[in-house]
Amino acid sequence: DQQVKQNSPSLSVQEGRISILNCDYTNSMFDYFLWYKKYPAEGPTFLISISSIKDKNEDGRFTVFLNKSAKHLSLHIVPSQPGDSAVYFCAALGGATNKLIFGTGTLLAVQP
Amino acid sequence: DGGITQSPKYLFRKEGQNVTLSCEQNLNHDAMYWYRQDPGQGLRLIYYSQIVNDFQKGDIAEGYSVSREKKESFPLTVTSAQKNPTAFYLCASSVDIFGTGELFFGEGSRLTVL
Repeated sequence: DQQVKQNSPSLSVQEGRISILNCDYTNSMFDYFLWYKKYPAEGPTFLISISSIKDKNEDGRFTVFLNKSAKHLSLHIVPSQPGDSAVYFCAALGGATNKLIFGTGTLLAVQP
Repeated sequence: DGGITQSPKYLFRKEGQNVTLSCEQNLNHDAMYWYRQDPGQGLRLIYYSQIVNDFQKGDIAEGYSVSREKKESFPLTVTSAQKNPTAFYLCASSVDIFGTGELFFGEGSRLTVL
């Protein structure tokens, strides 16, 4: 039972354009949502988060949007840079187990 | 520098052998975790520990064991009972158990069973 889903395994974007990564979840009890970035052969690093009581959080080029009614969140990267090429995991925290649950990841390739 | 150190980075094992992956942190974090990453499956929680001498099973604990004798150390043993041990293993820590979800990860250990 995949509670956090990233339906796009990969995404390719031109440098300078917007990257939009999507994530869907099934458990309405999640309290926090996070995005992690991972380079090959390295551990993930925390990127940005959003509480369930908000619908938007912005940090520089990165903005996360939360649509609770649709159980959907997205990460916008503007403008995209080649160094943004990585796997992005969305994650959710809360619910009955209160554990951090990760999605399957989306590989973003930013073309110069 | 504060951080999490995992060793070894690469490890090969024959079927039927146990292997222990090391994880050390100097962030003074109480909580530590082990995740496993497989292609197309994201990160799955193996074990986690809220405090010294205490640990809990995650979602895929079968075939694994852990210990937490010191705050800074959380080694993971992959036993011969683990049916499909070839994977990328990630150790993480946080100030308190799951908190707001911000975990600090090590660089990972890739285990290959021959």
